[in-house]
Amino acid sequence: DAKTTQPTSMDCAEGRAANLPCNHSTISGNEYVYWYRQIHSQGPQYIIHGLKNNETNEMASLIITEDRKSSTLILPHATLRDTAVYYCIVPRTNFGNEKLTFGTGTRLTIIP
Amino acid sequence: DSGVTQTPKHLITATGQRVTLRCSPRSGDLSVYWYQQSLDQGLQFLIQYYNGEERAKGNILERFSAQQFPDLHSELNLSSLELGDSALYFCASSVNVGVKNIQYFGAGTRLSVL
Repeated sequence: DAKTTQPTSMDCAEGRAANLPCNHSTISGNEYVYWYRQIHSQGPQYIIHGLKNNETNEMASLIITEDRKSSTLILPHATLRDTAVYYCIVPRTNFGNEKLTFGTGTRLTIIP
Repeated sequence: DSGVTQTPKHLITATGQRVTLRCSPRSGDLSVYWYQQSLDQGLQFLIQYYNGEERAKGNILERFSAQQFPDLHSELNLSSLELGDSALYFCASSVNVGVKNIQYFGAGTRLSVL
């Protein structure tokens, strides 16, 4: 997978927007950016993915820079239940092996 | 609820034993993946099956094996267990393969080897 770099940890006040950055400077033209999160030893949960346009769903928004070398996951109104480790993943376009490579992610703590 | 079911939730066993972990994918998903999460290694890909056939292998030990059955459920067999095999084992499933591949994870099986 393309190498991704994320901050180790972040705090955010409850009710505020949480902005989680990710650098993926080696991303190729047809590779998607995926975000997953893991809440305390539960199974990882898919959040959102994108290619080049900004994306929004019921959970979050994904902003991808024009050069596609970085992205930001936005949780618009963070709640205590959003405390989790967030993973930014850019799987290689490799038909025949669709594994996800999880790095260390960003540990997001929502502060009451 | 992701729709992926893993059983059992917890498993406690002794060194040298053999266990089987079971995964039922989401309805319609043809791909099943197994991941291991231990404290010192993070989430590691073990193996992928697609429609009954092995599709990709990660750093899966020779003592571990898996299969996917005609009804698409999958089993991960761990044998000659060692203390270091204690970990969370997650199964994921996806409907697609290739470029756009969203994986949905089960709640995991926590294996404790004593």
